[in-house]
Amino acid sequence: AQRVTQPEKLLSVFKGAPVELKCNYSYSGSPELFWYVQYSRQRLQLLLRHISRESIKGFTADLNKGETSFHLKKPFAQEEDSAMYYCALQARPGTNAGKSTFGDGTTLTVKP
Amino acid sequence: KAGVTQTPRYLIKTRGQQVTLSCSPISGHRSVSWYQQTPGQGLQFLFEYFSETQRNKGNFPGRFSGRQFSNSRSEMNVSTLELGDSALYLCASSLAGQSQETQYFGPGTRLLVL
Repeated sequence: AQRVTQPEKLLSVFKGAPVELKCNYSYSGSPELFWYVQYSRQRLQLLLRHISRESIKGFTADLNKGETSFHLKKPFAQEEDSAMYYCALQARPGTNAGKSTFGDGTTLTVKP
Repeated sequence: KAGVTQTPRYLIKTRGQQVTLSCSPISGHRSVSWYQQTPGQGLQFLFEYFSETQRNKGNFPGRFSGRQFSNSRSEMNVSTLELGDSALYLCASSLAGQSQETQYFGPGTRLLVL
């Protein structure tokens, strides 16, 4: 079974402080992991995916297969980063083709 | 390209009724997934359709069903509504539902069951 755990429901930091949103997963095989973000009054959208190894809006995420983690990090948080963040695991083809598992989400608040 | 659209945006029903929600994917996308979003449970996977076939489903009762048409539009049906079905229902589309593809989400249909 595939599972995604985001241990923090709420996370609050001050502007300019580093931020880390935790994500742990369980999956038998090589996972495809994503971070999606939902800003206030906007639809859920992709933030970044591990396969691209990119930095979006200053955020990065490294897949650690040993610790089965995909934590999202940003060195200096901005107020506009306040949003709900979801970590997602998208299954490879096979019996779980098309199946996605999302964590419960972390609400990030960046205070001025 | 136009984004994913969902209709209706808001719906109020009473217990025992049934409801049908519609999702139009981005043009060219053949995979459509449905999710239930609630404050307590986060985003829960309902099912995924590709080329008119349900490829996978989540852990929801049989009251939740769906289908996909030849133009990739999808509908989701919930029968015998319960109070706990009140939620935001999201659909997402991708090209072929492959694991490395980004999912593009619609705005959601907010269902309130009284």
